[in-house]
Amino acid sequence: EAQVTQNPRYLITVTGKKLTVTCSQNMNHEYMSWYRQDPGLGLRQIYYSMNVEVTDKGDVPEGYKVSRKEKRNFPLILESPSPNQTSLYFCASSFMGQGSYEQFFGPGTRLTVL
Amino acid sequence: GNSVTQMEGPVTLSEEAFLTINCTYTATGYPSLFWYVQYPGEGLQLLLKATKADDKGSNKGFEATYRKETTSFHLEKGSVQVSDSAVYFCALSNNRGSTLGRLYFGRGTQLTVWP
Repeated sequence: EAQVTQNPRYLITVTGKKLTVTCSQNMNHEYMSWYRQDPGLGLRQIYYSMNVEVTDKGDVPEGYKVSRKEKRNFPLILESPSPNQTSLYFCASSFMGQGSYEQFFGPGTRLTVL
Repeated sequence: GNSVTQMEGPVTLSEEAFLTINCTYTATGYPSLFWYVQYPGEGLQLLLKATKADDKGSNKGFEATYRKETTSFHLEKGSVQVSDSAVYFCALSNNRGSTLGRLYFGRGTQLTVWP
């Protein structure tokens, strides 16, 4: 089944404790992206990657890191989480060939930073 | 630049009522337009899309027509059901240069349908 998976689905942590949220897709998509969703703000892009070893900042990259060492994986790293990073996070991927670039989303990771 | 504006929610309707959620966009060139739906506790799913002017996307009784002259992509459904209760996002992709592959989202509209 074609899908984007994220782990963990729920995470409660404390300020300053490094964490990684994993994202994996099995569709051989070139493009991958991380979003955060906050009430009243919709989805905001954190980082994106157009292919292996190619990453770039989105609209709200501060406090986050990413890497793209393999095509299927795109982990999101919070080196020193803070309470303002409490949010719902989504990973997404899409094919970069000719077309409409519709994105496929993971189920989300709800992060709480105390 | 690229942006999407959709009507503020929440929208509350009775079952079998007619639904319209307005969406307008700003973009250069010829973007592709999408409606995504997010059911409670789930990720976003593509509901429908249109890739060129005058295209009509449709799925599960929902429709939206790509209107270049009014830069709009309004979502409609003739008779909503309780199971349509969700958050709906309008989005565009503008496949040129540095924005290649990126999706621009509206803020979402919460729809609640009562029996």
